[in-house]
Amino acid sequence: DIVMTQSPDFLAVSLGERATITCKSSQNLLDTSTNSHCLTWYQQRPGQPPKLLIYWGSTRDYGVPDRFSGSGSGTDFTLTISSLQAEDVAVYYCQQCANIPVTFGGGTKLEIQ
Amino acid sequence: QVQLQESGPGLVKPSQTLSLTCTVSGASLDSGGFYWSWVRQHPGQALEWMGHIYHTGNTYYTASLKSRLTISLDTSKKQFSLRLTSVAAADTAVYYCARARKYFMGVDFDYWGQGALVTVSP
Repeated sequence: DIVMTQSPDFLAVSLGERATITCKSSQNLLDTSTNSHCLTWYQQRPGQPPKLLIYWGSTRDYGVPDRFSGSGSGTDFTLTISSLQAEDVAVYYCQQCANIPVTFGGGTKLEIQ
Repeated sequence: QVQLQESGPGLVKPSQTLSLTCTVSGASLDSGGFYWSWVRQHPGQALEWMGHIYHTGNTYYTASLKSRLTISLDTSKKQFSLRLTSVAAADTAVYYCARARKYFMGVDFDYWGQGALVTVSP
């Protein structure tokens, strides 16, 4: 199974500041047929189901604000929120889509400092 | 707009069977390209993929639940279901149904239900 490791577990950032979350996979997530990395990011606000934010490592889903960006390659990936807004308070999860079983990271809880 | 909604008992006794149904609107369950999935989340914990089913009836289950889990599909009712036998307190969780986008080997999830809290308790 592909193990996904997120850091940090908890992050407090001031409004308007940058937030950075990292995700490391135990295997290379490069899909050679598309030359893209099969890594998806989700946002889960309190009491809500997860919401797809970014797929293929760096493609924002429809309607996701451009302050959210994804980057990385191989086994190391990053989710960046360029200017934190109050509505971004949530737990963020990475997930590999390269193989079954599906595996998620442990989550990063993001709060306002 | 694709919508999913879980339904089923919120309380199940230990050793009994947990059954949930997901009703889908805005999408066809018998079209290719998507799996229909169950993901659970223990209180305060991370997401755990349980398994999914394709419109052909092919199923994939996580190894730790494979002996107790059955996922089935009723395309005419636009529903898919989860059945987890011999439950214990450790199965207390929020259960989500989700649509999974199919890639070469794996999936990710583009639409989710609101979740159903199931508590296992005498």
